[in-house]
Amino acid sequence: AQRVTQPEKLLSVFKGAPVELKCNYSYSGSPELFWYVQYSRQRLQLLLRHISRESIKGFTADLNKGETSFHLKKPFAQEEDSAMYYCALVVASGSRLTFGEGTQLTVNP
Amino acid sequence: NAGVTQTPKFRVLKTGQSMTLLCAQDMNHEYMYWYRQDPGMGLRLIHYSVGEGTTAKGEVPDGYNVSRLKKQNFLLGLESAAPSQTSVYFCASSSSGRSYNEQFFGPGTRLTVL
Repeated sequence: AQRVTQPEKLLSVFKGAPVELKCNYSYSGSPELFWYVQYSRQRLQLLLRHISRESIKGFTADLNKGETSFHLKKPFAQEEDSAMYYCALVVASGSRLTFGEGTQLTVNP
Repeated sequence: NAGVTQTPKFRVLKTGQSMTLLCAQDMNHEYMYWYRQDPGMGLRLIHYSVGEGTTAKGEVPDGYNVSRLKKQNFLLGLESAAPSQTSVYFCASSSSGRSYNEQFFGPGTRLTVL
């Protein structure tokens, strides 16, 4: 069965510093990877997906199949980036999301 | 459009009581899902539905039942609540099963079982 691991439950950085949220997955096939974000008092929403190769709010994520990782990066963190971030995986054959444990990011002023 | 809505927002139950959580979406989505969110465990899929009249088990289905009598509604039932079911419950929907489609989430229901 597929699995997603986010090794850091809590991550704290200062405004303007680079930030990297780690995500590792285990799946023998070719999955689709996503990052979802939940800001305080807001609902969970899609941040970005690897298939789109897009940058959203300055965040990027590269799928590394060799290391089975999909780390989320931003060169200069902002206070409004403080939120809970979930990495998620979908196997090619279905639509069921498998979520990681989540990383609570705090960006300090 | 309201998107995905959930009723109620909060609920406190005593052990053994029953209740139903309602999820409604107005985006004409085929797929609907129920997750529970627990600290340190992320979101775990309880049950899901790929269309009206169909349901399937997810990762943690024990103690829950679901029904999808109408395309826009997905109900989650707890027949005999247990303290282990204290959690935040999220409903989500998506337009199809194609893996790159986005899931849209509701605001959540916070359930406490005493």
